[in-house]
Parts: sequence; structure tokens; C-alpha cells
Amino acid sequence: AQSVTQPDIHITVSEGASLELRCNYSYGATPYLFWYVQSPGQGLQLLLKYFSGDTLVQGIKGFEAEFKRSQSSFNLRKPSVHWSDAAEYFCAVEARGSTLGRLYFGRGTQLTVWP
Amino acid sequence: GAGVSQSPSNKVTEKGKDVELRCDPISGHTALYWYRQSLGQGLEFLIYFQGNSAPDKSGLPSDRFSAERTGGSVSTLTIQRTQQEDSAVYLCASSRGRVEGYTFGSGTRLTVV
Repeated sequence: AQSVTQPDIHITVSEGASLELRCNYSYGATPYLFWYVQSPGQGLQLLLKYFSGDTLVQGIKGFEAEFKRSQSSFNLRKPSVHWSDAAEYFCAVEARGSTLGRLYFGRGTQLTVWP
Repeated sequence: GAGVSQSPSNKVTEKGKDVELRCDPISGHTALYWYRQSLGQGLEFLIYFQGNSAPDKSGLPSDRFSAERTGGSVSTLTIQRTQQEDSAVYLCASSRGRVEGYTFGSGTRLTVV
């Protein structure tokens, strides 16, 4: 069955520390990959996406993600976290050849940032 | 408009009543999507509209749910005879295509009491 796994429900880091949020997917072929962020009471904001090519993609707010085909992973990273990064982060996939915009989401990782 | 607009932002309704949720997509975006976000199920795809094509309704959880998109712009999601399990945040998104990505609204929080 197709699935998206974010193994960490909640992560706490200190401001200025580095961050890595994990995402693994299970699909027949490499899907399109996305990371979204959601602040309380807000919709989802796209951080970055991977379609093909360079496996290290840069996004907004200083985030980057690396696609690793061998591990079926698309982990999100940031070298130095700011207090404003506290939010919930969602990994999502879209199967190639599927309905445009039909995203499958992980259950999310809640990020808390200590001052 | 500048973003995807959804109304109302919050809705409390009694079990058994019908509700209508509205989505106003970004101007020029031909594709429109509805998703539901609930504690139990996470984020789930509901329905997809693309231009004048027949919508993809495969994600609708029951026949109490329906949606329409008038004039290729504004969309309304209707839930009939609401149940408590319908309580969730309903998110709308629009897009011009996959490369540009999908822009989400802030959602409508529906509470069925």
C-alpha cells in the first residue's frame, strides 16, 4: 500500500540548533515530493518540492531537503532554527501519472523551539 | 485575489443540519482541490476540479458530501445531515499546474455538536 511516514510526531530543538525532519514514502515509482508547513490556524505553506534532477533542493525560509532514492526518503533540514520556525511540518507525495494535485500526506511533525 | 480565500473560517452546526463551505481560488488557477484535516485521519484528499472537466470525486467519504464549482472559479463543498465525525478543518487549494505547486487556504474549522 502507498504510504508516507513521518516517524517523529514531536521534535523539540533549541534556537540556533540544526534540524532534520524525517520522511519516508512507499510507492511503486519515485513520486513528486513536497514539504509543507502549517502554523496554528493557518493553511499549508509550501516549503519546497522535488520533481527530478538534483537531489538536494532548496526552499524558502532557509530550508532544504535531500531526496535519497535508495532509502525512499525526503528529509527536511535547516542548519540553524529560529523561534519562528515552530509549527507543524507535513511531508507529501503525489504519484506520477495520478490525478494532478492528489497529495498523500504524512501525519505531520510538530516542531517546538526553545529560546 | 492574492491567495485562496475560504469562508467561513469557523462553523459550528448541530448534528443533522446541512452546511456549505466556500472556496474562492486564486484568479487564473484552473485546478481546485478540497482536503479534510482531522485528528483521526490526518490530511485527506476529497475532490478535484480541473477546468470544465468532470470532477474527481473519488475521495469523498460518503454521499452526504458533494461539491460544485461554478464558472470555473468559486467552489462550494456541501455536507448534508452532518455527523460528529465530520468535525474537521476543510482546506481548499488551487493551482495552475504541478510545477508551480498548490496554494492552500486557511481552512474552515467545522464543529458538529
